[in-house]
Amino acid sequence: DGGITQSPKYLFRKEGQNVTLSCEQNLNHDAMYWYRQDPGQGLRLIYYSQIVNDFQKGDIAEGYSVSREKKESFPLTVTSAQKNPTAFYLCASSTKSGTENTEAFFGQGTRLTVV
Amino acid sequence: GENVEQHPSTLSVQEGDSAVIKCTYSDSASNYFPWYKQELGKRPQLIIDIRSNVGEKKDQRIAVTLNKTAKHFSLHITETQPEDSAVYFCAASISSGIQAAGNKLTFGGGTRVLVKP
Repeated sequence: DGGITQSPKYLFRKEGQNVTLSCEQNLNHDAMYWYRQDPGQGLRLIYYSQIVNDFQKGDIAEGYSVSREKKESFPLTVTSAQKNPTAFYLCASSTKSGTENTEAFFGQGTRLTVV
Repeated sequence: GENVEQHPSTLSVQEGDSAVIKCTYSDSASNYFPWYKQELGKRPQLIIDIRSNVGEKKDQRIAVTLNKTAKHFSLHITETQPEDSAVYFCAASISSGIQAAGNKLTFGGGTRVLVKP
């Protein structure tokens, strides 16, 4: 293990609060991603970043925000505008070999529960 | 954007039998197709991937086939073992020579595989 680390593993949030999920990687990867996984479903892309100080919305960005101030870090903030935030959140990173995509490495995930 | 459909959603097989999972994708520009295995409570991990310039790839008991014309790809697991029980995800993405272009993965909905001893 190691390479890409998410914290905390479990997070509880009261309704109306913002919370920030941490993702750090020491793989020297340029690209980082945030996915949301709901029970029995696939992974849906929230935000992704190809380079420092730049990021793009994924398929379900509403109610979330990100920053990419450092290559190693890509924190995700779940805002009070996200109406159904309870889910398993996965961070990933990848790089390229020339023009080819390579394997995405995932963190261990953060399970967020709204109480 | 890209849309990936995966079938079946659940698959139960007897130990030693084969398992096949099928995926279709919508964007003909997609050219990288990885498969991930996720055990309960753990992170997804890559088990095999294939690029669009290849029709088939094997790694021991696992193989993946790609039909670009039909826009579908499949995962084949032979001689299944109890430790193959997990959720499997297919994905698709577009490689680009432009560094800033997105190479984000679009995932299928997953297949829960249960191998019965």
